[in-house]
Amino acid sequence: EADIYQTPRYLVIGTGKKITLECSQTMGHDKMYWYQQDPGMELHLIHYSYGVNSTEKGDLSSESTVSRIRTEHFPLTLESARPSHTSQYLCASSEERGRHPGYTFGSGTRLTVV
Amino acid sequence: GDSVTQMEGPVTLSEEAFLTINCTYTATGYPSLFWYVQYPGEGLQLLLKATKADDKGSNKGFEATYRKETTSFHLEKGSVQVSDSAVYFCALYKSSGDKLTFGTGTRLAVRP
Repeated sequence: EADIYQTPRYLVIGTGKKITLECSQTMGHDKMYWYQQDPGMELHLIHYSYGVNSTEKGDLSSESTVSRIRTEHFPLTLESARPSHTSQYLCASSEERGRHPGYTFGSGTRLTVV
Repeated sequence: GDSVTQMEGPVTLSEEAFLTINCTYTATGYPSLFWYVQYPGEGLQLLLKATKADDKGSNKGFEATYRKETTSFHLEKGSVQVSDSAVYFCALYKSSGDKLTFGTGTRLAVRP
């Protein structure tokens, strides 16, 4: 049973639209992450958060933004979608356990911008 | 910086064949090493892990041994099944960097 939920699973949207991808976890994890997965499967960290009111940019520059107002919720927003944003977006959370971060991933949102 | 290199796929095998997916890493210090699996249409799931040199991680018939001398963490399974068809990601974690660094993934297809 998944403890981290992403909605929607699939989204097809027109260029220029504003979208928000939802991610929620019920495990009380402080750390949350957004990864972008390109068609070649490679994963790129685009945003992360260490807790409420904490957000940081990841390794890959992204036009998306995130917020963390509640521990369990970490939504990602695109103000104006473009075809180059077409990708799979994976949300994850982790607990602090020293050498084993215990990442849990959601099932992903596959976004297509037409 | 830290990096993970995986063998390129796709890897195509017949059912009951032996599987090896190579993974090597570059990192300072003592990272923890992981294999994640992504089934079609799903997110990533932790398959196995090893946190120090010579540790062997195992799960669901898969094994990988943390070899510091060769900076490797190769994934093996003695007899693959069609249900093992998925994408496999090798990853490393260091508490100093506080993030997972993934390889590029290796797609495995198992034929009946």
